[in-house]
Amino acid sequence: DGGITQSPKYLFRKEGQNVTLSCEQNLNHDAMYWYRQDPGQGLRLIYYSQIVNDFQKGDIAEGYSVSREKKESFPLTVTSAQKNPTAFYLCASLDSFMNTEAFFGQGTRLTVV
Amino acid sequence: GNSVTQMEGPVTLSEEAFLTINCTYTATGYPSLFWYVQYPGEGLQLLLKATKADDKGSNKGFEATYRKETTSFHLEKGSVQVSDSAVYFCALSVNNYGQNFVFGPGTRLSVLP
Repeated sequence: DGGITQSPKYLFRKEGQNVTLSCEQNLNHDAMYWYRQDPGQGLRLIYYSQIVNDFQKGDIAEGYSVSREKKESFPLTVTSAQKNPTAFYLCASLDSFMNTEAFFGQGTRLTVV
Repeated sequence: GNSVTQMEGPVTLSEEAFLTINCTYTATGYPSLFWYVQYPGEGLQLLLKATKADDKGSNKGFEATYRKETTSFHLEKGSVQVSDSAVYFCALSVNNYGQNFVFGPGTRLSVLP
């Protein structure tokens, strides 16, 4: 079955550590996105990528980094520079040329301990 | 630029009540419009979509009509159930290079038995 997979579902990080969230899709989508969601809030765009080896900052990119070395994968690193990283992180992908819907992973809940 | 505005709620209804969640948009070009639903602790799921003016999207008793003249895509359901309690996001997608998928802030719906 085609889909988009995020891992892990829950992640705990000590202050000052970097941590990487995985996002993999087998839908052959060219565009991929990372969003952050805080409790009771909407989605805020962190980074997006339209093609391999290219990505753009979203509204809240500070303290985060990404790579897009393969079409299927768009990992997000939460660095120690991100002062308040505890949140729910959602990855999405879509076929931007077909203008169809975005598909979402199940999310990763990151907690700083 | 592209943007989506929706009533932020929270909305609290009794079971079997009529639901309307308003959504309006601003877009360059010809967007596709979507409603997504998010249940607690999960990612977003596509609820329904419409790709051109006057199209009606429908699913699970929910409906929304793409109104170009009023730039709106209001979500309706004739009789809500407790299981409809969730957060609902209106979104648009435009087929051009860049940040082409935009979400509204989300509306939290609580249905009481």
